[in-house]
Amino acid sequence: QKEVEQDPGPLSVPEGAIVSLNCTYSNSAFQYFMWYRQYSRKGPELLMYTYSSGNKEDGRFTAQVDKSSKYISLFIRDSQPSDSATYLCAMSLGGYNKLIFGAGTRLAVHP
Amino acid sequence: SAVISQKPSRDICQRGTSLTIQCQVDSQVTMMFWYRQQPGQSLTLIATANQGSEATYESGFVIDKFPISRPNLTFSTLTVSNMSPEDSSIYLCSVESARANTDTQYFGPGTRLTVL
Repeated sequence: QKEVEQDPGPLSVPEGAIVSLNCTYSNSAFQYFMWYRQYSRKGPELLMYTYSSGNKEDGRFTAQVDKSSKYISLFIRDSQPSDSATYLCAMSLGGYNKLIFGAGTRLAVHP
Repeated sequence: SAVISQKPSRDICQRGTSLTIQCQVDSQVTMMFWYRQQPGQSLTLIATANQGSEATYESGFVIDKFPISRPNLTFSTLTVSNMSPEDSSIYLCSVESARANTDTQYFGPGTRLTVL
């Protein structure tokens, strides 16, 4: 079993849709949870990070962490074609520990 | 956020040769990281490079195959030695974020390596 599981998709949605991206994990010691966006032929770009459980909102993006269920989510409201990318979840134990990445979900938002 | 550049952006190399990838950051950072992203897969950490000390390698990666230099706080190199087609991948460097105690990292644009 992988430490972090993420559905690779691809996920195709119409413009304006609400997108839900999810990851599950097995290590209950993970403390920091991140979402990265990676456009084709580019490096990953940090979108959101959360410490421990709870929600965090930034514009059209909301990150949720449920440590009791070992489940994290990223919601994108009013999705745009420019949101088309691969979304990677990542998590760490804290204290400059290494990041463990999910496989990434490819998202396509069509006009 | 830090601005990170990598050279070369891409290369096509012959089996048995070596390639050195450079990573330059626009600010001083303590920790730099090297990742591999194989086609259609996620990122796997190769090693962590701190200035002034030997790099720390993850399980499955060895110094003889992936020697790393970290001569100062803004620069690092990763060499992929004695390459085989299985080394075809994207190699990414990253640096620790200035956000204290978050473990977040900023990534360079990557080096796309094809080994024939």
